[in-house]
Amino acid sequence: SAVISQKPSRDICQRGTSLTIQCQVDSQVTMMFWYRQQPGQSLTLIATANQGSEATYESGFVIDKFPISRPNLTFSTLTVSNMSPEDSSIYLCSVEDRGGFGQTSGISYEQYFGPGTRLTVT
Amino acid sequence: EDQVTQSPEALRLQEGESSSLNCSYTVSGLRGLFWYRQDPGKGPEFLFTLYSAGEEKEKERLKATLTKKESFLHITAPKPEDSATYLCAVFAGSQGNLIFGKGTKLSVKP
Repeated sequence: SAVISQKPSRDICQRGTSLTIQCQVDSQVTMMFWYRQQPGQSLTLIATANQGSEATYESGFVIDKFPISRPNLTFSTLTVSNMSPEDSSIYLCSVEDRGGFGQTSGISYEQYFGPGTRLTVT
Repeated sequence: EDQVTQSPEALRLQEGESSSLNCSYTVSGLRGLFWYRQDPGKGPEFLFTLYSAGEEKEKERLKATLTKKESFLHITAPKPEDSATYLCAVFAGSQGNLIFGKGTKLSVKP
């Protein structure tokens, strides 16, 4: 399984400012994902980041608010721009692992998460 | 619309008291159902992926099963260290992302 680290682990920011979250993986992965987990809510996918191409954003999330970089196969950043208190959340980096042939479908699929970045906007 | 519902929202057990958590789903083209454990202040920890109805997987005191409409996470003789929030997610269609339920918060008292 992949080992994922995130920086910072937590931060308190003032409204109107921006924060960049870093995600580092210990192995090369094709697809990286950024999720948000708001208090008491389930995880929601923000965007998918592939190396060498622009990120693909889910409905309700836009590049101007959440710009993403993916400079290589082990690293990605998510920026939360022009923050408001509604952006207070846990932000999680995730990677997929499409493994070998152990299932009847011929494909195994696992997805791993980093420890998260707890953001509080005041 | 694809949807995942987990029940109960919270479950309190005594140590050694076995029980089950439920995850019901409505998706088109299920490609996999995932179970995660999440401790406070940490990211979700991968437990299982189930791919087809009838499939079962086990890990220590946990056993996950899958039908065409729901999945169960059975916890046998739980210990206090099993206390956590258990998340269910589905991987469906061509979206390529996981759709999560809100989780079941499990508390096991000694």
